[in-house]
Amino acid sequence: GAVVSQHPSRVICKSGTSVKIECRSLDFQATTMFWYRQFPKKSLMLMATSNEGSKATYEQGVEKDKFLINHASLTLSTLTVTSAHPEDSSFYICSASIAGTGELFFGEGSRLTVL
Amino acid sequence: AQSVTQLGSHVSVSEGALVLLRCNYSSSVPPYLFWYVQYPNQGLQLLLKYTTGATLVKGINGFEAEFKKSETSFHLTKPSAHMSDAAEYFCAVSEYSSASKIIFGSGTRLSIRP
Repeated sequence: GAVVSQHPSRVICKSGTSVKIECRSLDFQATTMFWYRQFPKKSLMLMATSNEGSKATYEQGVEKDKFLINHASLTLSTLTVTSAHPEDSSFYICSASIAGTGELFFGEGSRLTVL
Repeated sequence: AQSVTQLGSHVSVSEGALVLLRCNYSSSVPPYLFWYVQYPNQGLQLLLKYTTGATLVKGINGFEAEFKKSETSFHLTKPSAHMSDAAEYFCAVSEYSSASKIIFGSGTRLSIRP
């Protein structure tokens, strides 16, 4: 099956710094990728839809300037958490879709801890 | 707009017993329906999906789900629970089109008693 890889799997940073999380589709091209945030013991909340070569579409309530998304190629999307604060600590998961299938393949997730 | 409701945030069954996790959806267009499993600190793994055709869908690890349009349901079942089935399960829906965003239910944590 299709493989989506996230890096890093865990990251700890100081408050005020920026952190970049990468999401790669390893064996297919993904024109669309999605970023989710998951709070402890909660469901996945869609943050934004990332389209290759264009601006991301953010869900209501998600700060565009806080969570920068770049989808520069058909196999890579990045999420940058800018000026991170402890409340940004969470599990971030990306997914990528193979066109025509309606199915998403998920990365392993990245756990961000902001001290 | 689409939505998913999972009844029961926590389900506990004995090993060897029937597993039933309930999911109801709302969609204005023919839906794609999914069940995902998540183990602690990991991403999501697809158990099964319904797109078109046969309404009874078989997935991995002995799980299956039945799409019932009249009841707008997509309940997940497994005849005999195994200890390794303990995990968080998410029902999800997307539009009947490609590359659509998926909306997740709130999740059901499945515990297995020895």
